[in-house]
Amino acid sequence: NAGVTQTPKFQVLKTGQSMTLQCAQDMNHEYMSWYRQDPGMGLRLIHYSVGAGITDQGEVPNGYNVSRSTTEDFPLRLLSAAPSQTSVYFCASTGTGGTEAFFGQGTRLTVV
Amino acid sequence: QQQVKQSPQSLIVQKGGISIINCAYENTAFDYFPWYQQFPGKGPALLIAIRPDVSEKKEGRFTISFNKSAKQFSLHIMDSQPGDSATYFCAASVAGNTPLVFGKGTRLSVIA
Repeated sequence: NAGVTQTPKFQVLKTGQSMTLQCAQDMNHEYMSWYRQDPGMGLRLIHYSVGAGITDQGEVPNGYNVSRSTTEDFPLRLLSAAPSQTSVYFCASTGTGGTEAFFGQGTRLTVV
Repeated sequence: QQQVKQSPQSLIVQKGGISIINCAYENTAFDYFPWYQQFPGKGPALLIAIRPDVSEKKEGRFTISFNKSAKQFSLHIMDSQPGDSATYFCAASVAGNTPLVFGKGTRLSVIA
């Protein structure tokens, strides 16, 4: 049972490049979320999904797209990376009606 | 508008002492209040959580105190140990219905 798996662990992008951060969970959880963590800012919600085919915006959605075609996967897309998107990104999942959020190990992204 | 305010930003405690971290929330609809612990390079992990129907919950050396009328809750770490050195986040949500909203975090250092 791997829990929540994020790939890659580290990534360097040039301004304007695009990429997809992958997130997969094997706990059959309906609820998945993406957060970014910046020094002194805590964890801020980017996008979340309450089930396959359903997504919604969080606190800081600009510059990011998501989709949820399966229960297991919730990728986060950066269409045109900007230095302001340099951050550590965490994916989390929660069971239906549950409360505990299980986090992945994070992706450290640097945009130069 | 910051929905969950956490203090202090950093805390240094002597080994064996008591660590206290405080949080205040705005949204009276919140009914789930967890604390997450994060070690460097890792994702946050659930430490302890409380619902508003109780004023205190204890698990080992960790205690949450909850004051519904003041819209405040706090984490107490008794007999703090160097292994407790980590970043702690408080959070809140409407259980099973909304994503977690996090405080900005407290970096705890326990020194011998």
